[in-house]
Amino acid sequence: KQEVTQIPAALSVPEGENLVLNCSFTDSAIYNLQWFRQDPGKGLTSLLLIQSSQREQTSGRLNASLDKSSGRSTLYIAASQPGDSATYLCAVSIGGNKLVFGAGTILRVKS
Amino acid sequence: EADIYQTPRYLVIGTGKKITLECSQTMGHDKMYWYQQDPGMELHLIHYSYGVNSTEKGDLSSESTVSRIRTEHFPLTLESARPSHTSQYLCASSPSGPWFEQFFGPGTRLTVL
Repeated sequence: KQEVTQIPAALSVPEGENLVLNCSFTDSAIYNLQWFRQDPGKGLTSLLLIQSSQREQTSGRLNASLDKSSGRSTLYIAASQPGDSATYLCAVSIGGNKLVFGAGTILRVKS
Repeated sequence: EADIYQTPRYLVIGTGKKITLECSQTMGHDKMYWYQQDPGMELHLIHYSYGVNSTEKGDLSSESTVSRIRTEHFPLTLESARPSHTSQYLCASSPSGPWFEQFFGPGTRLTVL
């Protein structure tokens, strides 16, 4: 059974700092991995999608990497801003388009 | 504008009532999903559909039921709401094929008193 773990569970950093969020999964048989952002009480916003054949994806200040063989992904956020404060979720796509989610990392960027 | 909509956004209801949570998407996606998320916890898939007249149960057991009569519409129904059903319910959709990303609606926060 696929399990997804995110570390750390919570992170507080000063504005301007670069930071890394970690995601690990137990079964390397995935189709893709998605990183989402969730603001309190809201739905999910897709940030980056990495296909299983890819190593990384970039969007603005965000860079996500994928090492499928070791079951790991990282989300790198450059020059963090208070507006980046949210919960960041990692999810892997398994058979049948199903997503298995981690519990998330709660990020707080202090001004 | 192509999007995914959920109504209501918030619902407070008494025990025993029948409720239907609405989800509609205008992106023409074949696949639709319902997830349940308790506060501070992971999202868990409770129902999914590959197309019209296709529905399947997800990994988390749920007393809710779903229907897919039209491609764009995927409502979730609870016949008799209980306090244990209090949660956030998120609807999502995606094109066919496991390589495509899922797009999520804003969610419905349900409280059963």
